Amino acid sequence: TQLLEQSPQFLSIQEGENLTVYCNSSSVFSSLQWYRQEPGEGPVLLVTVVTGGEVKKLKRLTFQFGDARKDSSLHITAAQPGDTGLYLCAGAPSGTYKYIFGTGTRLKVLA
Amino acid sequence: NAGVTQTPKFQVLKTGQSMTLQCAQDMNHEYMSWYRQDPGMGLRLIHYSVGAGITDQGEVPNGYNVSRSTTEDFPLRLLSAAPSQTSVYFCASSYDKQNYGYTFGSGTRLTVV
Repeated sequence: TQLLEQSPQFLSIQEGENLTVYCNSSSVFSSLQWYRQEPGEGPVLLVTVVTGGEVKKLKRLTFQFGDARKDSSLHITAAQPGDTGLYLCAGAPSGTYKYIFGTGTRLKVLA
Repeated sequence: NAGVTQTPKFQVLKTGQSMTLQCAQDMNHEYMSWYRQDPGMGLRLIHYSVGAGITDQGEVPNGYNVSRSTTEDFPLRLLSAAPSQTSVYFCASSYDKQNYGYTFGSGTRLTVV
């Protein structure tokens, strides 16, 4: 059972377009992290969101944690080819130590 | 350099063979986990540990064993390799998963023929 579902699974867009990736669960999380993974490498942490309703910005990337702490979103403004990669949300459901990953969103930004 | 070190980077096994994937971290992290990643997919949790001497099963534990005798090391053992275990394996560690997330090794690409 996959507790963290991401959508869309694949996304191919032109440079300069905006996009949003969603991460949803039926479980409550004490925090969620977002990672980006390049081919042949391990995931690299982008951001942590902890408080329900929290919004964090990292240059052109905006991350939001849902009020009920069951979902999160990643919005990229004016995407660039360097944003290409696999985006993963992750966290441990409240009350557990199991740190699990979402199903992943593979983004390709075309020049 | 500080971080998570995985060995080997590549391995080919025959069906039925056993082997151990090594993982070591020098950051004094309490939390360590093993994941597998199949082509084009996210990571699935195999086993995890919250400290030396404490391990527990993740989402896909069958066919794998772990132990955590020290804070630094967290080896993953494949008992009798099967083609379904062909995957990329990542080890990761964390000081405080809630606020800092996990630091990953560079992965082991395993092929079982």
